[in-house]
Amino acid sequence: SQKIEQNSEALNIQEGKTATLTCNYTNYSPAYLQWYRQDPGRGPVFLLLIRENEKEKRKERLKVTFDTTLKQSLFHITASQPADSATYLCALDRYNQGGKLIFGQGTELSVKP
Amino acid sequence: KAGVTQTPRYLIKTRGQQVTLSCSPISGHRSVSWYQQTPGQGLQFLFEYFSETQRNKGNFPGRFSGRQFSNSRSEMNVSTLELGDSALYLCASIETRRGITEAFFGQGTRLTVV
Repeated sequence: SQKIEQNSEALNIQEGKTATLTCNYTNYSPAYLQWYRQDPGRGPVFLLLIRENEKEKRKERLKVTFDTTLKQSLFHITASQPADSATYLCALDRYNQGGKLIFGQGTELSVKP
Repeated sequence: KAGVTQTPRYLIKTRGQQVTLSCSPISGHRSVSWYQQTPGQGLQFLFEYFSETQRNKGNFPGRFSGRQFSNSRSEMNVSTLELGDSALYLCASIETRRGITEAFFGQGTRLTVV
């Protein structure tokens, strides 16, 4: 079955720097990969989606890359701010799997002023 | 449009009891998925309901069950609660566009089993 690994350690960075989070998967290549943000005590919120035939996607200060050869996605937050502090989850699946997404454990990001 | 509503937000139960959690999806969405989130295991898929039928199921014991009503509202039930069932239970309102799943999560129900 599919397995996803994200940075196991929490990530601490200084305000203004770029945060880079990693999502590695094994087994089959997913059709798409999503990144979510989760704040304590709340449900995950969708941020970005990247398809298997896309190398890179951007949205404001966020950038996602997808390397199917390395079986890896990188999630970047540029010019990070303390408000970016949260847990970030990656999720992936093949097409037409309905409401079943496979999630990584998440990486806790802390941005210090 | 209104978001996903889960009730209750917090619940404390005793081992051996049963519990029912409720989820109202986004208006117009016909699919609801349930996930369990724990610090050790992360977000794990429980099951999905589409038009009142279970469409997908995760690897959880039969003590975990669910159903969906004609108005798309969904409930999940856990019987004979165990300490290990303590978790954040998340409901996602699902929209599928061109084969891609978009999940809109509720705030979750924090269940504590003592």
